[in-house]
Amino acid sequence: KAGVTQTPRYLIKTRGQQVTLSCSPISGHRSVSWYQQTPGQGLQFLFEYFSETQRNKGNFPGRFSGRQFSNSRSEMNVSTLELGDSALYLCASSSSGGVYGYTFGSGTRLTVV
Amino acid sequence: KNEVEQSPQNLTAQEGEFITINCSYSVGISALHWLQQHPGGGIVSLFMLSSGKKKHGRLIATINIQEKHSSLHITASHPRDSAVYICAVRDYGGSQGNLIFGKGTKLSVKP
Repeated sequence: KAGVTQTPRYLIKTRGQQVTLSCSPISGHRSVSWYQQTPGQGLQFLFEYFSETQRNKGNFPGRFSGRQFSNSRSEMNVSTLELGDSALYLCASSSSGGVYGYTFGSGTRLTVV
Repeated sequence: KNEVEQSPQNLTAQEGEFITINCSYSVGISALHWLQQHPGGGIVSLFMLSSGKKKHGRLIATINIQEKHSSLHITASHPRDSAVYICAVRDYGGSQGNLIFGKGTKLSVKP
């Protein structure tokens, strides 16, 4: 079966712009979680969605937001981009909030200039 | 102090060596995950543990809940094992079920 698909793979944006990243989970998975990975901070949890509801949120400013659609596809949005938002953004899907493990996408590498 | 600590940070081994990567955590957890990340960024989930020991091919993962410690072992290491190995715990305390990650262990296996 198809894996977790993240689009786009690479993105370059200018400070102050906004960006939307997309994640399509494995068919049948209802939970999608998002993570930011930077060289300095490593991997950090952003938020988790289950059946279109945000269940958990990490310690990130309000510029970071997300949503999940009825087909379980999820988007995350970052507004007013800062240079420090340059990172690899990963999403993972699971069948039941991670109880049985996660499947990760290949990530979107965002560069803010 | 980080809630999830991994050691060592970097590890270089010769092909065929037995490798151990350690993970200690300070929060109450429901599960611990071992992840593998190759250059390019993609992450593969290797194990999810809540107790005991799991084995998959040359990889073995153990967890001691009382000591809040887990180890990932690689037997007969191979250059294709070169990657970053990341320990993550699912916290059901103050972080409300989030995944908390260690900083990773960068493994390089030389032929």
